[in-house]
Formats: sequence, structure tokens, C-alpha cells
Amino acid sequence: DAGVTQSPTHLIKTRGQHVTLRCSPISGHKSVSWYQQVLGQGPQFIFQYYEKEERGRGNFPDRFSARQFPNYSSELNVNALLLGDSALYLCASSIQGRMPGANVLTFGAGSRLTVL
Amino acid sequence: GESVGLHLPTLSVQEGDNSIINCAYSNSASDYFIWYKQESGKGPQFIIDIRSNMDKRQGQRVTVLLNKTVKHLSLQIAATQPGDSAVYFCAETAPPGGGNKLTFGTGTQLKVEL
Repeated sequence: DAGVTQSPTHLIKTRGQHVTLRCSPISGHKSVSWYQQVLGQGPQFIFQYYEKEERGRGNFPDRFSARQFPNYSSELNVNALLLGDSALYLCASSIQGRMPGANVLTFGAGSRLTVL
Repeated sequence: GESVGLHLPTLSVQEGDNSIINCAYSNSASDYFIWYKQESGKGPQFIIDIRSNMDKRQGQRVTVLLNKTVKHLSLQIAATQPGDSAVYFCAETAPPGGGNKLTFGTGTQLKVEL
């Protein structure tokens, strides 16, 4: 079975540009979450989407936005890129629900964004 | 709190020894805790989880201990192998965020020496 897939794996942008990152969850997973991981630190929560609706937002500026599509895939958009946005952007999916293990997050390998 | 810089705490163990990785958390409302392993170039991989109504949970070669009184979590790895070398993160979540809004710790680099 395919795990969580993310694209692109690496990309380089310059300050002020815009970036779109894409994520395909595990088949059957309806919840997608996005995390930012700066080098040397743990991941930080950005967004959660479930059934195409935003269910949670972390402490990130409005330059960050996301959406989820009917097939449960998701996009993370970042506008007006800053040097500090350089990080590994992780997508994670889960089934979501009350059964045991339903909320365990499975992470993709991430998209490595470098802002110059 | 958040870590700064690139210098993760490091634990070096000999192959075959047991490893203990510790984590302190600050939110007394946290009710679900997870340990993740992250190898270079990969996303975090789930190892084991525990709910706040438990103080110990065992998996294959791993045990998680939770001490809510002092807000401390530990991961024990038995008979550590070279493939266990990675960065280990504890993560927590509290209502109403649920299991998706995780707060990750700083991370500990585990190095297994042959």
C-alpha cells in the first residue's frame, strides 16, 4: 500500500514568491494535517483538514493557507515567502474516529523548501 | 519549550544495550502521548502511544512510561540495534485538539555504537 505521498520533494524559491505543496493521504484516510519542521527542531502544527473542512489551525500567519479536495488530497499554500519559511513541510493523514488507532498520524517524507 | 539551534540532545549506546529516552511536557491537560522516530530524510514514524489513563504500555522491544505527577514521559528500547539510530520525538495532544494537533518535543538523537 502506498503511504502518504508528498510533492515536490525539494524546491527552491526566492523571497516574496509563492509556493504550493501537495499531499495524497493513505487510501481511506479522511484527515490530513500539515506540519512545519525547521532544521533541528520538532514539527510544528500548521493545519488540520477533515472532510474538506478546516478543523484546526496552528500559530502561523495568514500567508499560510490550505485546502482539501473531494478525494481527500490536500494543498498547502504559502504566499510572500520569507527566509524563515525554509523548512521541511510534512503532511500526515489519519482515519479519524473513535476506534483504537484511528487518530494515529502517518507522516509523509516531506517537501524540503529552501527560500533564498 | 522550543529548542534553539541545531544541537539536539544526544544519547549514545552500545549495540545490545537498553536505551532510555526522556521527555518532559508542560501541559497538564494533555491526554494522549506518542513517540515518533525520524530517520534522516524521512518523515516521523509512529512507534508507540499511551493515553493519560495509563502509566505503562509495551510494544515490540519498546515500552513507554508516563508519570503524570511530574509530567514526564520515557521511551525504553530493549536490545538496541543499529537500525534504531534516529531522532526520537515525544508528542502530546490535549482536548479539544484531538490526535491531529500534536505538540512535539525537542527531539533526542540516538546513536547506536557497534
